[in-house]
Amino acid sequence: DGGITQSPKYLFRKEGQNVTLSCEQNLNHDAMYWYRQDPGQGLRLIYYSQIVNDFQKGDIAEGYSVSREKKESFPLTVTSAQKNPTAFYLCASSIGGEDTDTQYFGPGTRLTVL
Amino acid sequence: DAKTTQPPSMDCAEGRAANLPCNHSTISGNEYVYWYRQIHSQGPQYIIHGLKNNETNEMASLIITEDRKSSTLILPHATLRDTAVYYCIVRVGRWGTGNQFYFGTGTSLTVIP
Repeated sequence: DGGITQSPKYLFRKEGQNVTLSCEQNLNHDAMYWYRQDPGQGLRLIYYSQIVNDFQKGDIAEGYSVSREKKESFPLTVTSAQKNPTAFYLCASSIGGEDTDTQYFGPGTRLTVL
Repeated sequence: DAKTTQPPSMDCAEGRAANLPCNHSTISGNEYVYWYRQIHSQGPQYIIHGLKNNETNEMASLIITEDRKSSTLILPHATLRDTAVYYCIVRVGRWGTGNQFYFGTGTSLTVIP
C-alpha cells in the first residue's frame, strides 16, 4: 500500500527540548517537503529536498533542521530555537524533475509545546 | 505574497454542483493551476491541475478562462464528504528553482443536507 506516513500523529514536548518528526514515503519519489500550518491559515514551506543528500530552506526555516540520507525518509527536527513551535506539520513528496509536479501529502503531526 | 484569491466560505446543497472560483490575475504563461482540499486535521488531498485547457477527472472538473486569470473548480454532485477547505494554488517556479506551492487560506465549503 503506497503512500506517505508521518509519526507520531500527536506529539507533546516541553519548552526548550528538541523534537524530531518522522516522514517516510514508499512512492519512489525524489522530492520531499515539510510544511507548517497554524490554525485558520494556509500551509507555509519550511524545507524541501529535491534529491538525497540535498535540501534547501523554504520561507520559514529558522528554528528547524532536516536531513535526507535516504530517498524514503525526510525527518524534521524542531529545535529549541523555534519560538512558536506549536502547529500542525505536514510532509509531502513528489516525483520531481517535472513542471507538472504534483505533491502528495501525509496525514500530519500535531505538535504541542507545553 | 498572495498568488491567488478565493472567497473565504461557500455553502452548497447536497446533490447540487459546487462551483468554487479562484482569481490568479498575475499568473505566468508556464504556471499551472492546482486544486487541493483539506478536511479538518488531515493532510491536503490533490484534486486536479491544469495549464490552459479544461480538465476533468473522477473527482472534479477545472475550467480555466481563456486569459488564464481565473479558474473554477466544479464538484458535479456535492456530498457531505466534500465539506472541506479548498485551496487554489499557482505553482511558482520551474523545477530546480524552488517548485514551491503557495497555499493561501482557501475556501471553506460546507455541503448542506
